[in-house]
Amino acid sequence: GAGVSQSPRYKVAKRGQDVALRCDPISGHVSLFWYQQALGQGPEFLTYFQNEAQLDKSGLPSDRFFAERPEGSVSTLKIQRTQQEDSAVYLCASSLRTGGAGGEQFFGPGTRLTVL
Amino acid sequence: GDSVTQMEGPVTLSEEAFLTINCTYTATGYPSLFWYVQYPGEGLQLLLKATKADDKGSNKGFEATYRKETTSFHLEKGSVQVSDSAVYFCALYTGTASKLTFGTGTRLQVTL
Repeated sequence: GAGVSQSPRYKVAKRGQDVALRCDPISGHVSLFWYQQALGQGPEFLTYFQNEAQLDKSGLPSDRFFAERPEGSVSTLKIQRTQQEDSAVYLCASSLRTGGAGGEQFFGPGTRLTVL
Repeated sequence: GDSVTQMEGPVTLSEEAFLTINCTYTATGYPSLFWYVQYPGEGLQLLLKATKADDKGSNKGFEATYRKETTSFHLEKGSVQVSDSAVYFCALYTGTASKLTFGTGTRLQVTL
């Protein structure tokens, strides 16, 4: 596709459920990032992949959060035993080069997660 | 740690008015600075960037100048349009970490 796509766009989960959020980066992009955007806030970094390697997961808020990118393209962010404080928009971004590509990242539309 | 502070919104302007959105930063390294924009229902898009002091980034009539002495990167546009209504995020990147650090965003509403 032409841009970064994410699915589902909206997800409602009951507290305690597990959820999986998918990101399809731009084809050929080496770097992939996940951010969490709470209502009225800016995006906050969660984790970074270079190809299939997860090089930085310092932003994951707890061990309930897990991300993978097994073949270096599609990535999945999984949240186990969801809590109300997990409600946010989860953004995926990709970039052609390694590292942060100097900050030039292409963002998907996000998945809005609501935990009831 | 790195941080970005933006003026709070919403900012409401009439079409053709002058726009300034203030942004200041704190960084341990020598950052690159960015403005990203989020139009309703769309993902974040890079609007403009500057990578060193005194650089001016510009795009779509928007401008911002990297001011190291005041640690600022204020966004300006001489004449806003209704189509500029969006949320604007200032962000920095230092390269010591691969992530972008964002401000809280400023919502701009332009009316006829």
